[in-house]
Amino acid sequence: ILNVEQSPQSLHVQEGDSTNFTCSFPSSNFYALHWYRWETAKSPEALFVMTLNGDEKKKGRISATLNTKEGYSYLYIKGSQPEDSATYLCAFSNTGKLIFGQGTTLQVKP
Amino acid sequence: NAGVTQTPKFRILKIGQSMTLQCTQDMNHNYMYWYRQDPGMGLKLIYYSVGAGITDKGEVPNGYNVSRSTTEDFPLRLELAAPSQTSVYFCASSYSTEAFFGQGTRLTVV
Repeated sequence: ILNVEQSPQSLHVQEGDSTNFTCSFPSSNFYALHWYRWETAKSPEALFVMTLNGDEKKKGRISATLNTKEGYSYLYIKGSQPEDSATYLCAFSNTGKLIFGQGTTLQVKP
Repeated sequence: NAGVTQTPKFRILKIGQSMTLQCTQDMNHNYMYWYRQDPGMGLKLIYYSVGAGITDKGEVPNGYNVSRSTTEDFPLRLELAAPSQTSVYFCASSYSTEAFFGQGTRLTVV
């Protein structure tokens, strides 16, 4: 059984705050770690796909890091804005499977 | 380029009825997936396929069947619908990197 855990489950921050979430995954048979952003009433959209230990990716104010040896990834949002409010999902892939964590729901208050 | 297309968008089934959720992609992706979204649980993998003619069980396959006769199509069959299958179903496809999702099918079993 592949277990992907995300924390916290939900987060409320003020506009302008920086925040981060954690994703933990099995460290064996690793192929890739994905991060998705999922807005209410829409479909998930990919933010990052990381494959190498030590990978760091950045898109605007959002960045992610990867540690495959210890099985964790962090997603950072700098200077949160109300439009960042969404559920952030991580997913672990190996042997064709793509297994998602339960998500972190971020609410940014103006 | 339509991406991933799911039909229908909404459906109400009676207990014991059967139905097929359709999923088609026009991106020539080899990987395809079916997920169900349950509150607070993120996305749970039902079945996946790594190419035409190859399918495998995910985390929650009971009560479902799939087939992959072509690269483009990956239908999900529900036999003997049960209230526990009330959920939002998402189909996704990828070419070994980021996954692209359909718009979802909201299914209610009464």
